[in-house]
Amino acid sequence: GENVEQHPSTLSVQEGDSAVIKCTYSDSASNYFPWYKQELGKRPQLIIDIRSNVGEKKDQRIAVTLNKTAKHFSLHITETQPEDSAVYFCAAGTSYGKLTFGQGTILTVHP
Amino acid sequence: NAGVMQNPRHLVRRRGQEARLRCSPMKGHSHVYWYRQLPEEGLKFMVYLQKENIIDESGMPKERFSAEFPKEGPSILRIQQVVRGDSAAYFCASSPAGTGTDTQYFGPGTRLTVL
Repeated sequence: GENVEQHPSTLSVQEGDSAVIKCTYSDSASNYFPWYKQELGKRPQLIIDIRSNVGEKKDQRIAVTLNKTAKHFSLHITETQPEDSAVYFCAAGTSYGKLTFGQGTILTVHP
Repeated sequence: NAGVMQNPRHLVRRRGQEARLRCSPMKGHSHVYWYRQLPEEGLKFMVYLQKENIIDESGMPKERFSAEFPKEGPSILRIQQVVRGDSAAYFCASSPAGTGTDTQYFGPGTRLTVL
């Protein structure tokens, strides 16, 4: 089955800096790669996703890149703010919608 | 358009009791997924259902766990004879179709505590 590895497990940055989180996946059939943000005690919320027919997608301060050949994808957050502090999960989707999640990255943005 | 609804939000059970978790998908969504999140861990897929059908239950423990999504009413995740290791947050998500490229929207979760 699919296996998703996510790094780093924790990331600490200063406000205004950029943050990068990386994921690799194993199943070449995966074609959907969402990123979720989860605050303590809350539900995972989709922040951005990318499908296999594009290599990069951007939404304001957030961008995701996908390299299907190398089977890895990355989340980039620019101009980080304290409210970006949360746990971020990457995931890879199979043909029928099942998502396999990475282990999560705890992002802390210091004011 | 109400989001994915789950109830109860918190559930406390003693060992050996049954836990019943409910999930109402977003309006217009006919596909439901259940995930389990243990403390300090990521989300693990459990089961994928469409109305009256279990499509993939590869993540479900072989015993004590069952799920259904009837023609009418919410999806139910049922855990019989709960043990302390079942303590976790259980999230459901829904999507409008199961093509593998449709966004899954998550509910607020049910936090199960087994005493």
